[in-house]
Amino acid sequence: KAGVTQTPRYLIKTRGQQVTLSCSPISGHRSVSWYQQTPGQGLQFLFEYFSETQRNKGNFPGRFSGRQFSNSRSEMNVSTLELGDSALYLCASSSGGSGEETQYFGPGTRLLVL
Amino acid sequence: DQQVKQNSPSLSVQEGRISILNCDYTNSMFDYFLWYKKYPAEGPTFLISISSIKDKNEDGRFTVFLNKSAKHLSLHIVPSQPGDSAVYFCAAPSGGGADGLTFGKGTHLIIQP
Repeated sequence: KAGVTQTPRYLIKTRGQQVTLSCSPISGHRSVSWYQQTPGQGLQFLFEYFSETQRNKGNFPGRFSGRQFSNSRSEMNVSTLELGDSALYLCASSSGGSGEETQYFGPGTRLLVL
Repeated sequence: DQQVKQNSPSLSVQEGRISILNCDYTNSMFDYFLWYKKYPAEGPTFLISISSIKDKNEDGRFTVFLNKSAKHLSLHIVPSQPGDSAVYFCAAPSGGGADGLTFGKGTHLIIQP
């Protein structure tokens, strides 16, 4: 099976712009979660989608949003970018059954906000 | 409010010896824990997990121990190899039946030849 893929791998934006990141889960996986990794805060959970519905949400401002399509692919959007949004954004997929399932991560999208 | 804590940002171990990475948690509702390994510029890779009904789970060179009364878990790697040099994250499901994970801040393990 192909792994989790994320596009683009690298992105440079300026403050105030918006950005959309894409994630394709492992075939058959219905749950997609998004995380932000920064040197100071480590890996922080953004949100999780299952069957096109947001099931769980972390403690991030409303500028961070996401959606999931019927084929389980997911997008994450950040509006009005701030310098502090510079981070590695990771997507993970799982079967999505019980919450005790292993998540498999993609390689991430490195976002730099100037 | 950090619910999963890894208090050692880094750990240096000689090749062939045992590496012990520690993790503490505060939420008694956590009943499943995972360890991930991460190399630079790559996503985390699942290593091993443990359910709260067990106190030990072993997979090859990797063993995870869970002490529920102390709210503590540890990952043992023996023998340590140079390829084990990476950042290790402890994680627990965020809850509510959904699949988000709460991660510790990670421990950078350095295996010295």
